[in-house]
Amino acid sequence: SQKIEQNSEALNIQEGKTATLTCNYTNYSPAYLQWYRQDPGRGPVFLLLIRENEKEKRKERLKVTFDTTLKQSLFHITASQPADSATYLCAPSGYSTLTFGKGTMLLVSP
Amino acid sequence: NAGVTQTPKFRVLKTGQSMTLLCAQDMNHEYMYWYRQDPGMGLRLIHYSVGEGTTAKGEVPDGYNVSRLKKQNFLLGLESAAPSQTSVYFCASSPGTSAYEQYFGPGTRLTVT
Repeated sequence: SQKIEQNSEALNIQEGKTATLTCNYTNYSPAYLQWYRQDPGRGPVFLLLIRENEKEKRKERLKVTFDTTLKQSLFHITASQPADSATYLCAPSGYSTLTFGKGTMLLVSP
Repeated sequence: NAGVTQTPKFRVLKTGQSMTLLCAQDMNHEYMYWYRQDPGMGLRLIHYSVGEGTTAKGEVPDGYNVSRLKKQNFLLGLESAAPSQTSVYFCASSPGTSAYEQYFGPGTRLTVT
């Protein structure tokens, strides 16, 4: 069955550093992979989508890579800020649906 | 635009009671989804719809039914609630396939006692 792994332990970093979150998946080959941010008590919010033929995608301070050979996506936040503290979910896709990882909590301290 | 709205925000049910959760979107999206989110389990897809009048099962459909009579609304029903259905329920909508982003509602916190 499809399996998605994200670091279950929270990632603690200092303001201004680059945060790197990992998403590994097994037993399928998604055509797309999406990343979402979720704040406590709120619904997830879309951040970035990357296609299988794209190695890297950027949006402002965010960067996503997608390695279909390693079956891994990396999510980077550069110049991190306390406001970036949240849980980040990766979601490799099927044709119509997404399968979400359990998420990694990021804590950025001033 | 309100985006995706969910009704109610909170609900407490007794075991065996029934209820319907309503999801509405004003973005003219074709696809709509119902998820549940439990601690340590992440978001899991219950049912989804790829257009008005269509529904399909997701990863955890048992104990739930859905209907999409109007394009803008997607209803999730619990016929006989069980404590295992205590969860936070999220509705989402999307313009199309998984090549598009999903827009989530604020969630409904359901407790079954």
